[in-house]
Amino acid sequence: DAGITQSPRHKVTETGTPVTLRCHQTENHRYMYWYRQDPGHGLRLIHYSYGVKDTDKGEVSDGYSVSRSKTEDFLLTLESATSSQTSVYFCAIGAPQETQYFGPGTRLLVL
Amino acid sequence: GENVEQHPSTLSVQEGDSAVIKCTYSDSASNYFPWYKQELGKGPQLIIDIRSNVGEKKDQRIAVTLNKTAKHFSLHITETQPEDSAVYFCAASNNDMRFGAGTRLTVKP
Repeated sequence: DAGITQSPRHKVTETGTPVTLRCHQTENHRYMYWYRQDPGHGLRLIHYSYGVKDTDKGEVSDGYSVSRSKTEDFLLTLESATSSQTSVYFCAIGAPQETQYFGPGTRLLVL
Repeated sequence: GENVEQHPSTLSVQEGDSAVIKCTYSDSASNYFPWYKQELGKGPQLIIDIRSNVGEKKDQRIAVTLNKTAKHFSLHITETQPEDSAVYFCAASNNDMRFGAGTRLTVKP
């Protein structure tokens, strides 16, 4: 998985609670991405980062925030989890218009 | 923005047969087209990619073709094996990368 780890790998939480997912890379790559994967939708971009403290919204950013205080770490926060945010979340690294390398994923269940 | 359509959603073939997965895209400025394979419980992994200045690319049993005029590209897997069973995703990228919905390929022994 190209030196990318995600934590936790599995999480069950309740509606209304905040949740933070972590992506850690050892490749010193400038670009990092958060996707969610749902049946019938493929992978959809939530947020991405193009450097420390530089982030931007993706296709499905509502209800999510991100932070990047170090090159190697990219955090995704669900401010108040809802059942519609039950999904598998993938972190990726890679420049635009280049290959993206994905982490192993975090499976999140919001009850 | 870019929209990527992928067909079929499921595909079942006999071992040794060929498999073809097709994708169309909407943004004529897209210039990078990767294909990913995702096995159960894992993240997607790149298997082959093609850029807009190339019409076809091969890597052993896998090939990708691109028709820029028609805005479609296809993945061809020949001599399929049971280990080819997985979900395959196409994607198209200008600046943002957009993914197709995926094709679940089953290769029957």
